[in-house]
Amino acid sequence: GENVEQHPSTLSVQEGDSAVIKCTYSDSASNYFPWYKQELGKRPQLIIDIRSNVGEKKDQRIAVTLNKTAKHFSLHITETQPEDSAVYFCAASKGNQFYFGTGTSLTVIP
Amino acid sequence: GAVVSQHPSWVICKSGTSVKIECRSLDFQATTMFWYRQFPKQSLMLMATSNEGSKATYEQGVEKDKFLINHASLTLSTLTVTSAHPEDSSFYICSPGQGEGEAFFGQGTRLTVV
Repeated sequence: GENVEQHPSTLSVQEGDSAVIKCTYSDSASNYFPWYKQELGKRPQLIIDIRSNVGEKKDQRIAVTLNKTAKHFSLHITETQPEDSAVYFCAASKGNQFYFGTGTSLTVIP
Repeated sequence: GAVVSQHPSWVICKSGTSVKIECRSLDFQATTMFWYRQFPKQSLMLMATSNEGSKATYEQGVEKDKFLINHASLTLSTLTVTSAHPEDSSFYICSPGQGEGEAFFGQGTRLTVV
């Protein structure tokens, strides 16, 4: 089955700096890669996603890159703000089955 | 996006009792429901997959007799934690299967067993 690894597990950045979270996956058949933001005690919220036929996608301060050959994808958050502090999960999916990374706790220091 | 309603949001129960968690898909019919468990500071771990009208499929290490899943209709799936123990305390989240694309989640249920 699919194995998704995520690094780092914790990340602290100064407000205004960039944050990068990386994930790798094992199943080359996975074709959909979403990123979720989860605040404490709440459900995960989709922040950006990318499909396997695209190499990069950007939405304002958030971008995701995908390298299918190397089977890794990354989340980039620029100009970080304190409200970006949360746990972020990557996932790899084929069909409706999702496999989640272990999560990254991001802290943005004002 | 899909609207998924899960309740209760939080529940405290005594050891040995059972707790039922409901997950409803409000604006679509879900033939498949994924149930996840999340321990503090950990990722979402798939517990089981339920299919409407048939038995659920459990992930390795998840006791099917302890975590009873019922998916009797296309809009409702339930997870019952039977004979709960403190180690069952966790955050449980449902997610209906919708085919390819974004996953939607219920609000989650914080279970505390005392």
